[in-house]
Amino acid sequence: EVQLVESGGGLVQPGGSLRLSCAASGFTFSNYEMNWVRQAPGRGLEWISYISSSGSTIYYADSVEGRFTISRDNAKNSLYLQMNSLRAEDTAVYYCAKDALGRGSKAFDIWGQGTMVTVSS
Amino acid sequence: SYVLTQPPSVSVAPGQTARITCGGNNIRSKSVHWYQQKPGQAPVLVIYYDNGRPSGIPERFSGSNSGNTATLTISRVEAGDEADYYCQVWDNSSDHPGVFGGGTKLTVL
Repeated sequence: EVQLVESGGGLVQPGGSLRLSCAASGFTFSNYEMNWVRQAPGRGLEWISYISSSGSTIYYADSVEGRFTISRDNAKNSLYLQMNSLRAEDTAVYYCAKDALGRGSKAFDIWGQGTMVTVSS
Repeated sequence: SYVLTQPPSVSVAPGQTARITCGGNNIRSKSVHWYQQKPGQAPVLVIYYDNGRPSGIPERFSGSNSGNTATLTISRVEAGDEADYYCQVWDNSSDHPGVFGGGTKLTVL
């Protein structure tokens, strides 16, 4: 079964840091581009970061650039999101999402269950 | 940055056809993907590349893309189709390329 499982969320104070992980299984992780998408409570989906299959190409949303860092370890079938200088507006459910096609469709066909990040004092 | 505009809500009676629009400047030049999200659940891809349907998605779901508007069409709407729907594109001309629309709440009357 193709599956993504996020972990690492929790409560953090403003200005703090968290590292999210996404464990992939059931597919050849190293062949697929990956993304992080978040959803603030009661709000819509927001794309926040992309990484190519090799890790050589990375993009960020303007709202997180300079504070968040995406990375992957293909040997461990894992995707990561290092989040620094967290703000209240970063409070959201964070999803990792797999590209639908090996050639980079930029559609996301498999999503994790999400991990909640709460930034509050 | 590229902006996608969706109506906040669409209502339809069971058995009828629902059409959810996604507006963007010359959106026909981009590939549009659509997601369904039910409360407390992760999104599900229902349409990719404007009108492609992933395996397991009913034929009742279809998509089109022309001019400045992409449309998700759900035929013979069922109660189980009630959900939030999001369109999404990839703007290759941007340094921040991933874009979602604001979402549309589909209510089945």
